[in-house]
Amino acid sequence: NAGVTQTPKFRILKIGQSMTLQCAQDMNHNYMYWYRQDPGMGLKLIYYSVGAGITDKGEVPNGYNVSRSTTEDFPLRLELAAPSQTSVYFCASSGGDDRNEQYFGPGTRLTVT
Amino acid sequence: GENVEQHPSTLSVQEGDSAVIKCTYSDSASNYFPWYKQELGKRPQLIIDIRSNVGEKKDQRIAVTLNKTAKHFSLHITETQPEDSAVYFCAARRGRGSYKLIFGSGTRLLVRP
Repeated sequence: NAGVTQTPKFRILKIGQSMTLQCAQDMNHNYMYWYRQDPGMGLKLIYYSVGAGITDKGEVPNGYNVSRSTTEDFPLRLELAAPSQTSVYFCASSGGDDRNEQYFGPGTRLTVT
Repeated sequence: GENVEQHPSTLSVQEGDSAVIKCTYSDSASNYFPWYKQELGKRPQLIIDIRSNVGEKKDQRIAVTLNKTAKHFSLHITETQPEDSAVYFCAARRGRGSYKLIFGSGTRLLVRP
């Protein structure tokens, strides 16, 4: 199993541009999450999903959108990128069992200039 | 909502010494407390977790303790080794049916050889 994969690994955007960060998992997990990690800081939840077709906002959803059309994929859309969105973005998934361990992807480092 | 505070933000110890990282949480309904380790440039990975019906859990050189009354939990690493150098995050999750983790801000541990 590849686990949780993310593309791209790095991206530089100009202010006002848009992009989609891709996330996929092959563990048949129902639960998927998007976090951002600012330098020297913890992980902040942007959006999460408890299954295909169901998404909900986390702590810092402004400026982002998500969709979950399949169990495997959970893309994060940035519209009108701003310098404040410069961060490392991690996607994670969990199986929803009692422990519900979250497995993280390798991250996408995004710079908005 | 839930808030998790983590201390210290940085910790430097001599190889072989012990390291202790402390977290406090605000939501008394939280009942699951995982710890994640993030090596430089890597993804966070779960290293140990504890549930609210248990006061202490050990796994080789690492242990976690929980004080529900005081709403704090701690990570203990004994006989530290250079490979323990990383950023450690605590997290808290509300009861069953909630799959969102709230993370602390992280502790950067440096083990000096």
